Amino acid sequence: EPEVTQTPSHQVTQMGQEVILRCVPISNHLYFYWYRQILGQKVEFLVSFYNNEISEKSEIFDDQFSVERPDGSNFTLKIRSTKLEDSAMYFCASSEAIQRGEKLFFGSGTQLSVL
Amino acid sequence: GENVEQHPSTLSVQEGDSAVIKCTYSDSASNYFPWYKQELGKRPQLIIDIRSNVGEKKDQRIAVTLNKTAKHFSLHITETQPEDSAVYFCAAIPSSYKLIFGSGTRLLVRP
Repeated sequence: EPEVTQTPSHQVTQMGQEVILRCVPISNHLYFYWYRQILGQKVEFLVSFYNNEISEKSEIFDDQFSVERPDGSNFTLKIRSTKLEDSAMYFCASSEAIQRGEKLFFGSGTQLSVL
Repeated sequence: GENVEQHPSTLSVQEGDSAVIKCTYSDSASNYFPWYKQELGKRPQLIIDIRSNVGEKKDQRIAVTLNKTAKHFSLHITETQPEDSAVYFCAAIPSSYKLIFGSGTRLLVRP
């Protein structure tokens, strides 16, 4: 069964450093998302991406965050200057559904620790 | 704003019993309601979903019911097994692209 893959599985960084989280969505999917989950809390929406542009973003997704689809397979999340509160599990998701936001398949996540 | 409330936060049942998890949503324009299961340290996995034009959907031991008037929906797991132990998240899509998750229910099935 096709899966969304994410790398790295763990990322440790110093506060103020830039990080790039990488995702390979399922190949025939058209909609891409980033979510995050702080330990023990709910999964929170960050951003959705369709047709090479951001469809929607949350209040969390401020100027420090950006997304990119640099080629036909990768989808990346960049945090320009990490803060302690950025520490979380970051999930990439993709969907082929005609109805936006439906049938999301999640990757296995990148655990980001900001020290 | 858009919000999804989920109850209970923890639920402990005896193996073979049923488990019910309830959610309410705020945006009456919401039209899609999935349920995700997340085992410890793993990704959320879609287990069942329902659209607003349907009142109930069943898949083997799991079922979801939707009451649009009251803006609430529920997950029902029958004949629970230890491998059902996980955190379950409900979610809803309001009039936007984003899936709004509930706060999760930690289900423990005691053997």
